[in-house]
Amino acid sequence: KAGVTQTPRYLIKTRGQQVTLSCSPISGHRSVSWYQQTPGQGLQFLFEYFSETQRNKGNFPGRFSGRQFSNSRSEMNVSTLELGDSALYLCASSLTGPDSGNTIYFGEGSWLTVV
Amino acid sequence: GENVEQHPSTLSVQEGDSAVIKCTYSDSASNYFPWYKQELGKRPQLIIDIRSNVGEKKDQRIAVTLNKTAKHFSLHITETQPEDSAVYFCAARSSGSARQLTFGSGTQLTVLP
Repeated sequence: KAGVTQTPRYLIKTRGQQVTLSCSPISGHRSVSWYQQTPGQGLQFLFEYFSETQRNKGNFPGRFSGRQFSNSRSEMNVSTLELGDSALYLCASSLTGPDSGNTIYFGEGSWLTVV
Repeated sequence: GENVEQHPSTLSVQEGDSAVIKCTYSDSASNYFPWYKQELGKRPQLIIDIRSNVGEKKDQRIAVTLNKTAKHFSLHITETQPEDSAVYFCAARSSGSARQLTFGSGTQLTVLP
């Protein structure tokens, strides 16, 4: 069974640009959540989608957005990139939702560098 | 919202010794506490988890204990091996309306051969 797949794995963007990251959850998993990992702030929750609906949102500015498609694949978008957005963006999936007690599995992440 | 504190931030042990990492949480409604291991450049991987109706859980050399009254939980690794070297994160999930995982700041464990 394939794990959580994220693309692209590495990317470099310029300040002011926008970026879209993609995540394919484990087959059968309907919940997808996104986390930002930085050395200074650790792992911080961005948002969670279930059945194409955003169920939870972390404390990030509106430049960070996401969506989920009918096949449970998810994308997150960051507009007007800032240097501080440089981070590892991790996608995680679970069978139903994080609030159901099911294990959360992480993808390998997308390394974003903003220059 | 939930706040999780993790200690220590770095831990070095000799191979074969035990390692203990401690976390405290603030939200008494939290009911699920996973531990993740993250090797350099890799994804966080779940190594063990515990739910609030259980006080202790073991899986071979790894154990987790939970004290709901004191709102803290700990990871215990016995007979440590060099391949245990990694960053370990604790997390907590509330049963309230904001049901995401809140992570601790991580512990860099180094097992010296």
